[in-house]
Amino acid sequence: QLQLQESGPGLVKPSETLSLTCTVSGGSISSIYHYWAWIRQPPGKGLEWIGSIYYSGSTFYTHNPSLKSRVTISVDMPKNQFSLKLASVTAADTAVYYCARRENAMDSWGQGTQVNVSS
Amino acid sequence: QSALTQPRSVSGSPGQSVTISCTGTNSDVGSYNYVSWYQQFPGKAPKLIIYDVTKRPSGVPDRFSGSKSGNTASLTISGLQAEDEADYYCCSYAGSYNYVFGSGTKVTVL
Repeated sequence: QLQLQESGPGLVKPSETLSLTCTVSGGSISSIYHYWAWIRQPPGKGLEWIGSIYYSGSTFYTHNPSLKSRVTISVDMPKNQFSLKLASVTAADTAVYYCARRENAMDSWGQGTQVNVSS
Repeated sequence: QSALTQPRSVSGSPGQSVTISCTGTNSDVGSYNYVSWYQQFPGKAPKLIIYDVTKRPSGVPDRFSGSKSGNTASLTISGLQAEDEADYYCCSYAGSYNYVFGSGTKVTVL
């Protein structure tokens, strides 16, 4: 059974870079049928699409200009992982960050990891 | 790109039906049959319950159904049960491998 697990620091200082990794188990990140996505949810708010990556390394980022210019998603096939970097964070980036597998929709999700941006 | 519009909350008694609307534009909901719905309990990850507008993943009860007309998609929960009390989010493909989520709806079982 496919499992995804987010990992990374729970606290990041303003202006620094948020870095998270999603480890995929029970399935291969090199599947030709799937994309791998990052989604976040600020406290008490709705879900926000960040972007996705294909195993080949092709990336597709949100059209939200406040995010797009700061986001980098990468894949590490030997480790069966994909990662998110978000630069120049502010308090507005405080959220639960989820990784997910996308085929026709996001059919498998990690449990989510809370990231707080604070000095 | 703005979030899709959902009612903040809907409620119903056990056994009743409730419908959640999800209104987008002709750049997302109106252009693609790639609308999905997610159920989320407090403190938990979302769970896919509808994809491609009307399809249910294996294991999702058939009291959950989806539809779409123009720029508005809908999720209907028939025979509402206490365990259906949760937040529900729609999501639509918006072109160029980009997706947009709805604002979320809290379903309360009275």
